Amino acid sequence: GIQVEQSPPDLILQEGANSTLRCNFSDSVNNLQWFHQNPWGQLINLFYIPSGTKQNGRLSATTVATERYSLLYISSSQTTDSGVYFCAVVNTGTASKLTFGTGTRLQVTL
Amino acid sequence: DGGITQSPKYLFRKEGQNVTLSCEQNLNHDAMYWYRQDPGQGLRLIYYSQIVNDFQKGDIAEGYSVSREKKESFPLTVTSAQKNPTAFYLCASSISFGAAYGYTFGSGTRLTVV
Repeated sequence: GIQVEQSPPDLILQEGANSTLRCNFSDSVNNLQWFHQNPWGQLINLFYIPSGTKQNGRLSATTVATERYSLLYISSSQTTDSGVYFCAVVNTGTASKLTFGTGTRLQVTL
Repeated sequence: DGGITQSPKYLFRKEGQNVTLSCEQNLNHDAMYWYRQDPGQGLRLIYYSQIVNDFQKGDIAEGYSVSREKKESFPLTVTSAQKNPTAFYLCASSISFGAAYGYTFGSGTRLTVV
């Protein structure tokens, strides 16, 4: 099946810093989503972005489908950004099941 | 407010016991999913249902069973055949199977074998 790798696995930032999270996938996809899991386990959908660039406030994402990667940018980080960020994809031509990466754990400190 | 309710939040199971995790949604979504999350890992799909009275095995279905008798409800039973059930279980729904957007997750059930 499709492999989804995320980097870095862990990231510690001071409040106000910017960061870039990366998601590499091993095959073509027709669906790519970014999720944030807060420290209490709740998962929130951030972006649906199989290609192109989107922005939502301090967050933006870019997917280059031909090169099989996606980037999530967090600017001016806040302590509420802490948690785990997951990339999830659907392999083109398969039953439409999301395959999740192992996540990037982000800690934002004061 | 529309959303997904999972219960209980914490569950303790004795060896050899079956337990059922509840998942209810009031979003009028057709598709529902159960995922398992182990520490430091991503989410793995256990079962999914595209529509009422239909469900399919995911990637790690062994030792689990589900039912979908009502659109709103998708309970997961962890049977004694599941050898390592301690994990965090997440239920999700989407307007249709494989929908590109609108995935909603519950707040999870943490299951521990004692």
